[in-house]
Amino acid sequence: DAGVTQSPTHLIKTRGQQVTLRCSPKSGHDTVSWYQQALGQGPQFIFQYYEEEERQRGNFPDRFSGHQFPNYSSELNVNALLLGDSALYLCASSLTPNTEAFFGQGTRLTVV
Amino acid sequence: KNQVEQSPQSLIILEGKNCTLQCNYTVSPFSNLRWYKQDTGRGPVSLTIMTFSENTKSNGRYTATLDADTKQSSLHITASQLSDSASYICVVSAGGSYIPTFGRGTSLIVHP
Repeated sequence: DAGVTQSPTHLIKTRGQQVTLRCSPKSGHDTVSWYQQALGQGPQFIFQYYEEEERQRGNFPDRFSGHQFPNYSSELNVNALLLGDSALYLCASSLTPNTEAFFGQGTRLTVV
Repeated sequence: KNQVEQSPQSLIILEGKNCTLQCNYTVSPFSNLRWYKQDTGRGPVSLTIMTFSENTKSNGRYTATLDADTKQSSLHITASQLSDSASYICVVSAGGSYIPTFGRGTSLIVHP
């Protein structure tokens, strides 16, 4: 079992650009959540996908959007990147929306 | 507003010593509390999970306690090792909500 895998591991983008981050959940998991973790801070919940629909959303602007595919993998899209979007983006999967989450290694996004 | 406060913010100890990390929360209604270990630049890894009826749970040298009345939890690390150097994050989930509340973490450094 490969666990939760994220790609890419590191990414550098310019202000105003768009970025897509990808996540494959742990085998058997159908729920995927995305988090943003700024340096020295705890993870902040962005949104959760279950059955290909966004079920819950944290306090993030519409520039942050996502998608879940039939195979339960997920993408996080961020438009019009700002310097403040620089962070570690974590994906977590779980068996159901409210069970233990298993985290991936994260994607380190740097916006310059 | 659901909040999780952790203390201390950072801690430096010598290898072989014990330490205790604290977590206070105001999440309601309480569902479960998890402690995660996060190495720098990596995704969090679950150490323990406790529900309302559990007041102690161990995972090797890690022992978590929960006092649901005072809304406090602690993580005790016994005989610390260099590999224990990491951030330890307390996460509390509310019943009926799929959005967990993360603390900012305690940064632990173990010196030889």
